[in-house]
Amino acid sequence: QKEVEQDPGPLSVPEGAIVSLNCTYSNSAFQYFMWYRQYSRKGPELLMYTYSSGNKEDGRFTAQVDKSSKYISLFIRDSQPSDSATYLCAMSANFGNEKLTFGTGTRLTIIP
Amino acid sequence: DADVTQTPRNRITKTGKRIMLECSQTKGHDRMYWYRQDPGLGLRLIYYSFDVKDINKGEISDGYSVSRQAQAKFSLSLESAIPNQTALYFCATSEAGTGNEKLFFGSGTQLSVL
Repeated sequence: QKEVEQDPGPLSVPEGAIVSLNCTYSNSAFQYFMWYRQYSRKGPELLMYTYSSGNKEDGRFTAQVDKSSKYISLFIRDSQPSDSATYLCAMSANFGNEKLTFGTGTRLTIIP
Repeated sequence: DADVTQTPRNRITKTGKRIMLECSQTKGHDRMYWYRQDPGLGLRLIYYSFDVKDINKGEISDGYSVSRQAQAKFSLSLESAIPNQTALYFCATSEAGTGNEKLFFGSGTQLSVL
């Protein structure tokens, strides 16, 4: 079993819909959680970063961490065609990137 | 101009050949990383370097070597390429002491080993 599980999709939703992307994990030591967005043939870019449990909001994006369930989510409100991309979750137990574990990514398409 | 530049963008090579992927950055970051991305496996760390004199193995370093020629340059070599090294390779940088260690990625090198 992988340490981080992420549904690969693809996920297609109409423009304006609320999108929910999720990851589950098995390592209870994880406490740093990130969401990266990756456009086709581009490198990933950091969208959201959270430490421990709780919610974090940035514009149309909300990251949610539930450590008791080992479950993290990214919500996108008022989805736009420009949100079409692959979304990668990433997490680590310790501060720093050298032990970062990535999910496999969920491919999202927003239909105009 | 891109802050993290990878060359080449695409490369096709044959089994047994030596190949080098290059990465340069203008962000002034000390920390540089090499990842590979495979469908169904996600991003995995190959090597990382926290400064010019510091080189560390990542999760999957076997079959790879690196060279940190300068703060801005970090190269990945495959001494004798094999087909299961076919993947999308990314170089990334981060700035130490910034709080969340945000990674900045290049646009990737698609490598095919025949």
